[in-house]
Amino acid sequence: AQSVTQPDIHITVSEGASLELRCNYSYGATPYLFWYVQSPGQGLQLLLKYFSGDTLVQGIKGFEAEFKRSQSSFNLRKPSVHWSDAAEYFCAVGGLAGNEKLTFGTGTRLTIIP
Amino acid sequence: KAGVTQTPRYLIKTRGQQVTLSCSPISGHRSVSWYQQTPGQGLQFLFEYFSETQRNKGNFPGRFSGRQFSNSRSEMNVSTLELGDSALYLCASSSLRARATDTQYFGPGTRLTVL
Repeated sequence: AQSVTQPDIHITVSEGASLELRCNYSYGATPYLFWYVQSPGQGLQLLLKYFSGDTLVQGIKGFEAEFKRSQSSFNLRKPSVHWSDAAEYFCAVGGLAGNEKLTFGTGTRLTIIP
Repeated sequence: KAGVTQTPRYLIKTRGQQVTLSCSPISGHRSVSWYQQTPGQGLQFLFEYFSETQRNKGNFPGRFSGRQFSNSRSEMNVSTLELGDSALYLCASSSLRARATDTQYFGPGTRLTVL
């Protein structure tokens, strides 16, 4: 069964500082991996995704993530956070073609301090 | 292109009632998935429809059901509501033009409160 672990429930960083959110997955085949962001009371917005190829993927809002098969990880990074980045971030793993189910991690809440 | 729309955005019901939530996917998208989000259980997959057929189903009781219409719009129904059904219900659509590289786009959700 597929699963996703986000070990950090809550992270606080200063505006302008760098950010790394951790994500580990368990999946029996080549995973399709996603990062979504959710602002309070809102739906999920896709930040970036990995299907194959280059293990460093670029997303919107200056985010990037690196797929490391040996570590079963897909960590999200941003070199300099902005106050508007405060939100909840979800890592998800998708199924094989033909299975649209996404399995989500429990999320990491990001707080930005001035 | 308009995004995924969900109606209503907010609902308040009492235990024992039933509720129907609606989702209109992005134009051209044929797959619609539903998720339940609660503070305790997080985001959980309910079911997925494609071309009016349910293809995948999560581990929810039979009180949760859904359907998809020929225009790809989808509804989900919860009968005999329980307090634990209070949640944000999210709908996501995908085009499935390229199955191996598709992406789910989410709507804003319907916030259901059961009293």
